[in-house]
Amino acid sequence: EAGVVQSPRYKIIEKKQPVAFWCNPISGHNTLYWYRQNLGQGPELLIRYENEEAVDDSQLPKDRFSAERLKGVDSTLKIQPAELGDSAVYLCASSLDVAGRTNTGELFFGEGSRLTVL
Amino acid sequence: AQSVTQPDIHITVSEGASLELRCNYSYGATPYLFWYVQSPGQGLQLLLKYFSGDTLVQGIKGFEAEFKRSQSSFNLRKPSVHWSDAAEYFCAVGAFSGYSTLTFGKGTMLLVSP
Repeated sequence: EAGVVQSPRYKIIEKKQPVAFWCNPISGHNTLYWYRQNLGQGPELLIRYENEEAVDDSQLPKDRFSAERLKGVDSTLKIQPAELGDSAVYLCASSLDVAGRTNTGELFFGEGSRLTVL
Repeated sequence: AQSVTQPDIHITVSEGASLELRCNYSYGATPYLFWYVQSPGQGLQLLLKYFSGDTLVQGIKGFEAEFKRSQSSFNLRKPSVHWSDAAEYFCAVGAFSGYSTLTFGKGTMLLVSP
């Protein structure tokens, strides 16, 4: 079974440039997460989708960050314009868990996209 | 709000020695607790989880963890460390208000010496 796939693995851009990350979750996983992991820190949730709906985007900096999950499968996370402080690893994860059901609590993570903003 | 504290930023253990990584959590109700491992350049992999029942849980790769409600702790242990265990370990607490929302600690980097 294929895992969560993310691209690109690495991206170096200059500040004020746009950048986009793509995620393909595990087949059948309705819930998709984007986390940001700063150097030396644990992952922090940016946004969570259940199918196409963003059910928790309270931590997403909406002035420059946007995300979408068309057709409830793949997702993209965009930053425009990027700032120096956006340098981090952006992790995508998926899960079988959905609201209203007994959940496993297990998230499956991709390898991440490492962003460096110069 | 829920939170996780991992007091040790990094730990060095000799190969073959025992290991204990500390985790303390703050959560208003019964927590769902997890340990994830992250190897360099890799995503996070679930080692084990505690939902309810037996407070000593077994995971993959020979790891175990014990939930102690009175101490708000969920420490990870392994009786004999292998060089391949060198990685970063994250404790996480889950709030299951109908869905999975994990809050992670800052991680503990495990170094294994020969």
